[in-house]
Amino acid sequence: DIQMTQSPSSLSASVGDRVTITCRASQSISSYLNWYQQKLGKAPKLLIYAASSLQSGVPSRFSGSGSGTHFTLTISSLQPEDFGIYYCQQSYSTPLTFGGGTKVEIK
Amino acid sequence: HVQLQESGPGLVKPSQTLSLTCTVSSGSISSGSYYWTWIRQPAGKGLEWIGRIYISGSTNYNPSLKSRLTISVDTSKNEFSLKLSSVTAADTAMYYCATVNTTMGTFDYWGRGNLVTVSS
Repeated sequence: DIQMTQSPSSLSASVGDRVTITCRASQSISSYLNWYQQKLGKAPKLLIYAASSLQSGVPSRFSGSGSGTHFTLTISSLQPEDFGIYYCQQSYSTPLTFGGGTKVEIK
Repeated sequence: HVQLQESGPGLVKPSQTLSLTCTVSSGSISSGSYYWTWIRQPAGKGLEWIGRIYISGSTNYNPSLKSRLTISVDTSKNEFSLKLSSVTAADTAMYYCATVNTTMGTFDYWGRGNLVTVSS
């Protein structure tokens, strides 16, 4: 199985801050990396696919980068509605696996 | 825009079989664009992929659950199902059904989830 490790596990930032979340894969997954946002009591929502492609309807302040084993999700200017838990997910091979999540709180 | 809805019991006794169904609306389960998949999430924890089925009937299961798991599809009812046998408290979780895009491997559409508690 491919292990996905996210850091940090949680962060607190102010509105307008630039926020970066890191995801590392235990082996190379090329660009088969996706990012999701989950809010309390809701199913996850796809934000970024193929490491850097923005899902339709997702604000442009979200961006992704990376390939191989190291990936980042960046929120360029944190907004109040961006609180929640962010997960990375590899789609390189089954079993499909997720990172442990990064909880983003607004100061 | 595919819509998914899970259904099934909220309480299952230890050692019994957990059975859930996912009904697909606003789309055909016979579409070749998706794998039909199950994911679970224990309260306060992360996401675990359970397994998936393609319209051909081909399945892929998480090795950690494979010995207890069956995923099936019923095209006549536009639904797919999960059966997990010999459950324990560790199987208590929110269970989601979702689509996995066959090209991108993304979880595109999700149900609202069905909370299953394993307890006597």
